[in-house]
Amino acid sequence: RKEVEQDPGPFNVPEGATVAFNCTYSNSASQSFFWYRQDCRKEPKLLMSVYSSGNEDGRFTAQLNRASQYISLLIRDSKLSDSATYLCVAPDTGRRALTFGSGTRLQVQP
Amino acid sequence: DTAVSQTPKYLVTQMGNDKSIKCEQNLGHDTMYWYKQDSKKFLKIMFSYNNKELIINETVPNRFSPKSPDKAHLNLHINSLELGDSAVYFCASSQDVWGGLGNEQFFGPGTRLTVL
Repeated sequence: RKEVEQDPGPFNVPEGATVAFNCTYSNSASQSFFWYRQDCRKEPKLLMSVYSSGNEDGRFTAQLNRASQYISLLIRDSKLSDSATYLCVAPDTGRRALTFGSGTRLQVQP
Repeated sequence: DTAVSQTPKYLVTQMGNDKSIKCEQNLGHDTMYWYKQDSKKFLKIMFSYNNKELIINETVPNRFSPKSPDKAHLNLHINSLELGDSAVYFCASSQDVWGGLGNEQFFGPGTRLTVL
């Protein structure tokens, strides 16, 4: 099993839609997680941290299910500018590093 | 002001050449990283340094050698370049060692390396 696994997509959704991505992780000792956003030919940037059972930031909600070892990202009222690749990230405390998933591509269409 | 900068942005070179990529951060962070992102977009850590000390040295060919002259700089030197080295190389930094909660990793703009 990969350390962090994501559906690569692409997810093609109309503007205004609600879309959700899931991510599974293998290291049960991980405590906090992250969603990074990467635009085409750009660097990854932190979108949200995920801790406790989840948190919300505007149109974005991240949830954490420790029992099933998955993290989700919900985007409400999608905008064209949300089109990007979303990277699920888990800490590897043994190596003191972050492990990145391969990303889920979102394309919001007018 | 650019927080994490890399030079060059694009690098096209022949197989067998030696090249270097430079990275600088002005965030006052203690930890810096090199990542490789291949054509399948998988972002994999290569090295990390904390206060000029090597922390992570993943299984990469020893043709790759990082050098940290001070905690604001982490350079990557690659010897005898091969076709498979073609990728985007990202430098990143964070305040503390592994970029956990409240310790965000900031990435540079990337260096797109093409080996012909």
